[in-house]
Amino acid sequence: DAKTTQPNSMESNEEEPVHLPCNHSTISGTDYIHWYRQLPSQGPEYVIHGLTSNVNNRMASLAIAEDRKSSTLILHRATLRDAAVYYCILRAGGTSYGKLTFGQGTILTVHP
Amino acid sequence: KAGVTQTPRYLIKTRGQQVTLSCSPISGHRSVSWYQQTPGQGLQFLFEYFSETQRNKGNFPGRFSGRQFSNSRSEMNVSTLELGDSALYLCASSFQGDTEAFFGQGTRLTVV
Repeated sequence: DAKTTQPNSMESNEEEPVHLPCNHSTISGTDYIHWYRQLPSQGPEYVIHGLTSNVNNRMASLAIAEDRKSSTLILHRATLRDAAVYYCILRAGGTSYGKLTFGQGTILTVHP
Repeated sequence: KAGVTQTPRYLIKTRGQQVTLSCSPISGHRSVSWYQQTPGQGLQFLFEYFSETQRNKGNFPGRFSGRQFSNSRSEMNVSTLELGDSALYLCASSFQGDTEAFFGQGTRLTVV
């Protein structure tokens, strides 16, 4: 599986936007970019995913670089509930059924 | 609708024993995956089942096995428990295994 690189930790203030970066320079053309987050004492939670175009949903936005070698998860207004470990994951299309390869993720701290 | 349910939530076993963990997926989901989470190794994929067949497997010894029933419920078994098997075991379900995954709260296994 292609690897991703994320900062170990980031900090933000409540109600400010947060940009979580992810590098994936060895991404292949069929790899989907997935983001999950894990709140304390809970299982991971799906956030968003995309292939080539930018994506928006009720939780976040995903900005994908034109060469697809990097992406950014955007939380438009951070809340205390967004404090979690955020994982950027590449998922091979059509071959990695059910398999998510988690890295170390980014620990996001949100200050009141 | 009901989420992914894992039972039991907590378990204490002795070295050498075996253990069976259960996962009930979201209704209509046919793919069930299992993960092990430890502080040292993070989240690691164990295996995935779809329509009662193991479709994908991670790099774990044969002591770790699983199965899926016709109603998509899945069980994971670990035989000859070792201290290093102490971990949070997470189950995730998805419709077909290639879309967003929904995780349960996990089973915390402690081997003494």
